[in-house]
Amino acid sequence: NAGVTQTPKFRVLKTGQSMTLLCAQDMNHEYMYWYRQDPGMGLRLIHYSVGEGTTAKGEVPDGYNVSRLKKQNFLLGLESAAPSQTSVYFCATLMDANTEAFFGQGTRLTVV
Amino acid sequence: GQSLEQPSEVTAVEGAIVQINCTYQTSGFYGLSWYQQHDGGAPTFLSYNALDGLEETGRFSSFLSRSDSYGYLLLQELQMKDSASYFCAVLRDDKIIFGKGTRLHILP
Repeated sequence: NAGVTQTPKFRVLKTGQSMTLLCAQDMNHEYMYWYRQDPGMGLRLIHYSVGEGTTAKGEVPDGYNVSRLKKQNFLLGLESAAPSQTSVYFCATLMDANTEAFFGQGTRLTVV
Repeated sequence: GQSLEQPSEVTAVEGAIVQINCTYQTSGFYGLSWYQQHDGGAPTFLSYNALDGLEETGRFSSFLSRSDSYGYLLLQELQMKDSASYFCAVLRDDKIIFGKGTRLHILP
């Protein structure tokens, strides 16, 4: 039982390059979230999904796109990376309102 | 707007008790959660208050008062391994909203 797995764990991109971060969960959770974490800023919500085939914008969605074609996977895409997107990205999942959220181990992204 | 306010840093002595407060300006949420994050790690769940009052889990307790828009996390018998960041969070409109976190420093 792996829980929540993020791929990759580390990545260095050049400005303008694109990439996709994968979040995979084996807990059959409906809710999935992408956050970015920067020093002193806490966890800021980028996009989220309340079920297969659904996505919605969070607090800081600009520059990112997401897809949830399968219930177990939530993909975060950067079409044209910018240095401002250098951050640690966390995926989280939630079964329902009164339960705990589970996090992936994080992806450290540097854009140069 | 929706925001949760926490102190940015708290310092306490090993073996002592520390309280981390969380005040919020939002309504219509299910309950208040607390998460712990060690440097370089991912947040992990600590406690959840669905109702007003105190919830106890070992050395950690959490409290919620909806009428005061206030909650806190209480850590007892502090150990060096408790040095971490602590986040309060609520679920509202399907979004998990986190405070900016409190960095807990523990002195030997």
